[in-house]
Amino acid sequence: KQEVTQIPAALSVPEGENLVLNCSFTDSAIYNLQWFRQDPGKGLTSLLLIQSSQREQTSGRLNASLDKSSGRSTLYIAASQPGDSATYLCAVRPRDSNYQLIWGAGTKLIIKP
Amino acid sequence: GAGVSQSPSNKVTEKGKDVELRCDPISGHTALYWYRQSLGQGLEFLIYFQGNSAPDKSGLPSDRFSAERTGGSVSTLTIQRTQQEDSAVYLCASSLVGWGGPFSGNTIYFGEGSWLTVV
Repeated sequence: KQEVTQIPAALSVPEGENLVLNCSFTDSAIYNLQWFRQDPGKGLTSLLLIQSSQREQTSGRLNASLDKSSGRSTLYIAASQPGDSATYLCAVRPRDSNYQLIWGAGTKLIIKP
Repeated sequence: GAGVSQSPSNKVTEKGKDVELRCDPISGHTALYWYRQSLGQGLEFLIYFQGNSAPDKSGLPSDRFSAERTGGSVSTLTIQRTQQEDSAVYLCASSLVGWGGPFSGNTIYFGEGSWLTVV
């Protein structure tokens, strides 16, 4: 059974720092992995999608990597800003379940001005 | 519309009443998903629609929950005889296609959710 873990559960860093959020999964048989952002009182915003054949995706200050063989993904945020404060979730789409996503519990990120 | 639209955005209802939550997916998206997130919890899958049919309803918590989708577009999630434990944010999402294989890499887009409070 696929399980997704995100470490740390919470992270607080000063503005301007570069940081890395981690996501690990137990079964490498996935179609893709997706990173989301959730703001308090809001829904989810999709940040980056990495297909199983890809190693990384970039969008602005965000870079997500995928190492399927080791069951790991990282979300790198460069030059963090207070507006980056949110909960970051990763989710995998397993190959044995075409439409469900398996979610991590998220990392709550606080960027201090 | 440009994104997934959900209504109402907030709903406070009395225990025992029925509620309907609506989701309007991105135009052209054939796959539609309902999730639930209780306070401090992760996302819980409820149901998935491919077109108007729901291949998997196993995530619905009880027979008080039902969902339908008409015209391959708008979906309604209905909760009958609401209970306090139903209080959560109900998130709807859509994607261009939902099946696996070569189309499995499509991005899922979420609405902002319907916040339900049962008092």
